[in-house]
Amino acid sequence: DAGITQSPRHKVTETGTPVTLRCHQTENHRYMYWYRQDPGHGLRLIHYSYGVKDTDKGEVSDGYSVSRSKTEDFLLTLESATSSQTSVYFCAIRGGQGEGEKLFFGSGTQLSVL
Amino acid sequence: AQKITQTQPGMFVQEKEAVTLDCTYDTSDQSYGLFWYKQPSSGEMIFLIYQGSYDEQNATEGRYSLNFQKARKSANLVISASQLGDSAMYFCAMREYFKAAGNKLTFGGGTRVLVKP
Repeated sequence: DAGITQSPRHKVTETGTPVTLRCHQTENHRYMYWYRQDPGHGLRLIHYSYGVKDTDKGEVSDGYSVSRSKTEDFLLTLESATSSQTSVYFCAIRGGQGEGEKLFFGSGTQLSVL
Repeated sequence: AQKITQTQPGMFVQEKEAVTLDCTYDTSDQSYGLFWYKQPSSGEMIFLIYQGSYDEQNATEGRYSLNFQKARKSANLVISASQLGDSAMYFCAMREYFKAAGNKLTFGGGTRVLVKP
């Protein structure tokens, strides 16, 4: 157990509303990531963070913003949700040295935008 | 161009038989890592095995082995003696260590495996 908690686990929202997903870790890891998973696309990186207030874009960042004001929390915000953002969202943290510094994943958030 | 390609969207395998899942990758870096993750129907992502680009021997982890062919840029996962619990989606992923965003993993589209009793 890598100590990652995602909330909420499920959310249904309407087009045009803002949505914030939370990732909380208890391991004090520096690197945190947000991925989305869609059929046929595997997992695609939205944003990542390499420290408090240090974030960068991934390959599918349009329509998303992130914030990291504390080491343990990494927030993903959909500024104005669209149906194309219906997806499963995974938070991940990067492990220490060994096994390539693999990622540990949270349980995912199923988001439906109607 | 896709960095990670998994050409098999789905496959069946008979219980107790071995199965090979294909993965090819594209990078110009010399230093990179290759990963395989399993995602059962419950949805969690489970790390299976890792291969570094400088590792001379193929990685093994229990019933999982990685057939690393560097010149061909392939990193196939072999699951020996398949079990019903191996039914899942399998993702190949790569990290390029000298990229600016060298701490991210890039994933392939996945292969769904169904083990038949």
